[in-house]
Amino acid sequence: ILNVEQSPQSLHVQEGDSTNFTCSFPSSNFYALHWYRWETAKSPEALFVMTLNGDEKKKGRISATLNTKEGYSYLYIKGSQPEDSATYLCAFWGGGADGLTFGKGTHLIIQP
Amino acid sequence: GAGVSQTPSNKVTEKGKYVELRCDPISGHTALYWYRQSLGQGPEFLIYFQGTGAADDSGLPNDRFFAVRPEGSVSTLKIQRTERGDSAVYLCASSSRGAGHNEQFFGPGTRLTVL
Repeated sequence: ILNVEQSPQSLHVQEGDSTNFTCSFPSSNFYALHWYRWETAKSPEALFVMTLNGDEKKKGRISATLNTKEGYSYLYIKGSQPEDSATYLCAFWGGGADGLTFGKGTHLIIQP
Repeated sequence: GAGVSQTPSNKVTEKGKYVELRCDPISGHTALYWYRQSLGQGPEFLIYFQGTGAADDSGLPNDRFFAVRPEGSVSTLKIQRTERGDSAVYLCASSSRGAGHNEQFFGPGTRLTVL
């Protein structure tokens, strides 16, 4: 059974502040790490798919880093806005024919 | 273009009943996945289709669960003799190719409640 852990489970951040959270995953048989944002009543939306150790990806105010040797990824949000409130999910792919293995998510609430 | 759609958005049923959940993937996407998210958990893999065939159904919890994709497009997840523990959000995702280094596009999910 693959273990994908996310921390913290929930997070309250003041509007305008920057924040980050963590995803840890198995460092063996690594093929890809996905980040998704899931807003209430909407579909999960892909943010990043990362495959190479040392990868850094950016999309607007959101960025992510990847360390496959130690098995962790960070997601950063700069200058949080209310629309950033969502659950952020990371998902690991170990190369099999099966789907992604998800963490439980970090529930982010931005307070105006 | 249209994204992934799922119907119904909500389904309430009684224990022991049969339910069908439908997924319409993005046109042209050959890979289709079903996941289930129970309360307090992350989405959990159920089954993966490549075209019409189930490439991996190792995530289906037991033989009450079955899924089909007869023409390589729309998929239906079927649950027989539903139990209260089947209550969850059922998510469908599609991808232009299989393999987990490709982005998966998710539908909004079907929330199943078994009373």
